[in-house]
Amino acid sequence: AQKVTQAQTEISVVEKEDVTLDCVYETRDTTYYLFWYKQPPSGELVFLIRRNSFDEQNEISGRYSWNFQKSTSSFNFTITASQVVDSAVYFCALSRAGGGFKTIFGAGTRLFVKA
Amino acid sequence: GAVVSQHPSWVICKSGTSVKIECRSLDFQATTMFWYRQFPKQSLMLMATSNEGSKATYEQGVEKDKFLINHASLTLSTLTVTSAHPEDSSFYICSASLRETQYFGPGTRLLVL
Repeated sequence: AQKVTQAQTEISVVEKEDVTLDCVYETRDTTYYLFWYKQPPSGELVFLIRRNSFDEQNEISGRYSWNFQKSTSSFNFTITASQVVDSAVYFCALSRAGGGFKTIFGAGTRLFVKA
Repeated sequence: GAVVSQHPSWVICKSGTSVKIECRSLDFQATTMFWYRQFPKQSLMLMATSNEGSKATYEQGVEKDKFLINHASLTLSTLTVTSAHPEDSSFYICSASLRETQYFGPGTRLLVL
């Protein structure tokens, strides 16, 4: 069975602080995809990143970076120098490879960035 | 690219009426679309997988006669909440698959009075 665990329910930081959102997953598949989505107060989910299970390279995109470690089944997300606009709920997700498979979402981590 | 729209964004209806929500992939074709429901401060709950030209696959506990899904074309899926009741009030979100990534619509907030 597939499962995604985001143990941090809520995180509150002050602007300019770095913050890491944790994600641990479970799957028996050898090929799978991991995702991060952002859900701002407006409600629309915004795709941030997709990572293939065979690609363990860390990725950086501006202030965002992701650390994928198969050995610990983790796919953590770090925001550097957080800003108020980063306040949102962030979801980690997992799906089987092959297209058309449903995506399993974690419970989400609500991030508050205070000015 | 990969834009998904939903209509309406807000709907308020009386108990007992049916409500139709449209989900469109605007700049790509999607053989598979998904419908989710999200309660306040909770994660997304998958309701059903919608495949173009075939019957939808519903998740356990989701009444298929209550939530009718039609995926008549590669760019349009509809969800009809039949005989809506106050407990159906929720945030409904659709997504469409493109190259193994789901792209989400902006969601529809349904309030049943």
